[in-house]
Amino acid sequence: RKEVEQDPGPFNVPEGATVAFNCTYSNSASQSFFWYRQDCRKEPKLLMSVYSSGNEDGRFTAQLNRASQYISLLIRDSKLSDSATYLCVVNKINAGKSTFGDGTTLTVKP
Amino acid sequence: DAGITQSPRHKVTETGTPVTLRCHQTENHRYMYWYRQDPGHGLRLIHYSYGVKDTDKGEVSDGYSVSRSKTEDFLLTLESATSSQTSVYFCAISEGGSGDKNIQYFGAGTRLSVL
Repeated sequence: RKEVEQDPGPFNVPEGATVAFNCTYSNSASQSFFWYRQDCRKEPKLLMSVYSSGNEDGRFTAQLNRASQYISLLIRDSKLSDSATYLCVVNKINAGKSTFGDGTTLTVKP
Repeated sequence: DAGITQSPRHKVTETGTPVTLRCHQTENHRYMYWYRQDPGHGLRLIHYSYGVKDTDKGEVSDGYSVSRSKTEDFLLTLESATSSQTSVYFCAISEGGSGDKNIQYFGAGTRLSVL
């Protein structure tokens, strides 16, 4: 079993739709959580950190469920420009390395 | 954007030749990483460094070596390139620590083709 697992998709949604991605992690010592976005043939870029209390940035909401060991990303009112691959990232306490999920691909269509 | 420069950005080489990729940062971050990304595999860690001359292996380190003689530079060397090393290589940096200090910032990538 992979340490971080994501549904690879693809998710194909119309503009304006709400879409949610989940990511599960296996190591209960995990401490830091992030969502990254990667556009085709580009480098991954931080989308948002995921805090225990949950956090929101515009149309994007990230939540953490430590008991069930998963994090989620909700995108409301999807835009064409949201089309990308979304990577879930997990860090253990005081570990310099991160574990990346393989990504979930989202395509938003007109 | 974080100051990370990868060079070269594209390279075509022949099987059996040595190849060195360079990652340069201007952020003075402690940690530096080399990943490869292939279709169907996501990002896979090759090697990482937690300080000058301090390096450790990742999950796919066979056939690769690294060196970090200065805080700002992290070199990845393929001693004898093979076709299986054709990939996109990303360098990343982070401050290291807890919380948001673990955020990794990526370079633009190097596309390597081994013929």
